[in-house]
Amino acid sequence: EVQLVESGETLVQPGGSLRLSCAASGFTFSNYWMSWVRRAPGKGLEWVANIKPDGSEKYYVDSVKGRFTISRDNAKNSLYLQMNSLRAEDTAVYYCARGMSLAVWGKGTTVTVSS
Amino acid sequence: DVVMTQSPLSLPVTLGQPASISCRSSQSLVHSDGNTYLHWFQQRPGQSPRRLIYRVSNRDSGVPDRFSGSGSGTDFTLKISRVEAEDVGVYYCIQGTHWPYTFGQGTKLDIK
Repeated sequence: EVQLVESGETLVQPGGSLRLSCAASGFTFSNYWMSWVRRAPGKGLEWVANIKPDGSEKYYVDSVKGRFTISRDNAKNSLYLQMNSLRAEDTAVYYCARGMSLAVWGKGTTVTVSS
Repeated sequence: DVVMTQSPLSLPVTLGQPASISCRSSQSLVHSDGNTYLHWFQQRPGQSPRRLIYRVSNRDSGVPDRFSGSGSGTDFTLKISRVEAEDVGVYYCIQGTHWPYTFGQGTKLDIK
């Protein structure tokens, strides 16, 4: 069964850092682009970042450029999102998703940025 | 960035009746490779998003055939032929032709 499992819920202070993880199983992880998408409370979906199968290309939405870094470890079938200089507006449920057309999604992990 | 505009944003529908959601893009979604990367997602309350339709009109495995997608260029539509109770949720279009990918605002479908 194809599965994506994000890391657990977290509360962090403004200005703090956090690393999200996404464990993939049931498919050949190293063959696929991977993405992070978020949904803030009361708002719609927002694509955050993408990474190429070999990690050589990465793309970000403007609001996180310079603060977030997407990465992957194909040997561990894992996707990561390093989040620095966190702001209240980064509070959201973060989902990892497979492929450039987001065919498969995880259940999501909640990130709350608050003092 | 490409702006995706959905309408309506709220869609109350009677069970068994059809429903239609429009998605318009601020520029053409035809990629240089000839494909159009416009996809539709459903997010039921308390659940993760689920892809329903990819590249305009291709239904995902397990998606009921009452869902259909159509359109071209900048103008796209998701149709539900007969709404069922399990269709309640928020529907999003997303374009994957131009970086960064952008979603529509979402259309909330509920039962009258």
